[in-house]
Amino acid sequence: QQQVKQSPQSLIVQKGGISIINCAYENTAFDYFPWYQQFPGKGPALLIAIRPDVSEKKEGRFTISFNKSAKQFSLHIMDSQPGDSATYFCAASMGYQKVTFGTGTKLQVIP
Amino acid sequence: EAGVAQSPRYKIIEKRQSVAFWCNPISGHATLYWYQQILGQGPKLLIQFQNNGVVDDSQLPKDRFSAERLKGVDSTLKIQPAKLEDSAVYLCASSLRDRGHDEQFFGPGTRLTVL
Repeated sequence: QQQVKQSPQSLIVQKGGISIINCAYENTAFDYFPWYQQFPGKGPALLIAIRPDVSEKKEGRFTISFNKSAKQFSLHIMDSQPGDSATYFCAASMGYQKVTFGTGTKLQVIP
Repeated sequence: EAGVAQSPRYKIIEKRQSVAFWCNPISGHATLYWYQQILGQGPKLLIQFQNNGVVDDSQLPKDRFSAERLKGVDSTLKIQPAKLEDSAVYLCASSLRDRGHDEQFFGPGTRLTVL
C-alpha cells in the first residue's frame, strides 16, 4: 500500500525529444507527489511537485500529469537536453508522513 | 545559503567493523532525515528527527544502526557491526518543518562499501 511503482527503469531519448516517466500508487491517502532529480555523486533535488486536486502542473520544460482515478502520475520532459541526463525519482507522501520514493528512472539524452 | 553537509564522502570497511557518518543540516531546519539508497533503488527513510526528538525510526535496523541528533542541529548515524548488505549511499536531508510536503534538501551522501 505504501509502494510507488515507477517505469521505465532506464530511458534513452534523442536531444529535442520528449522524455516520459510513469508512476503508479495504491494508497489513496497520498496527497503530495514530488519528483526528484539526481545527478551522479549528488543527492536528489526537488524538481516539481503536484497535489491531487489538479490534473497537470507545468514548470518550464517539465510537466506533471496526474490521473487520480487511475492512481497514476507521470513526468514529461519536453525538448530534452543532454543536461537533463540524470536519475529521476517519483515520490508520494501524505500529511506528516514520510516520503515514499519510487525505484528511479535513469534518463540518458543523446545528442 | 549553505547546503546540507555530510562527511565522509566515501568509506570502505570490512564486515563486522563499525562506521559513523556525520551530517550538518541547513541552518534553521528543524527536521533531519537519514536515508539509505542501495544501488538502483530509491532512497529509503531510516530515521527522521524533529529537532532532537525521533519522529520515525520504523525502518531503522536497531540491532545494528543507531542515530542521534544532539542539540537539535547536526547528527551522526552509526552502524555496528556492518554487514555486506549495508553497502549503500547514506543520504542526509533536512527540511524547515516536520511535514511531508516541505521540500527536503539532500546532502551529497556518503558512499559506504562493506567488504
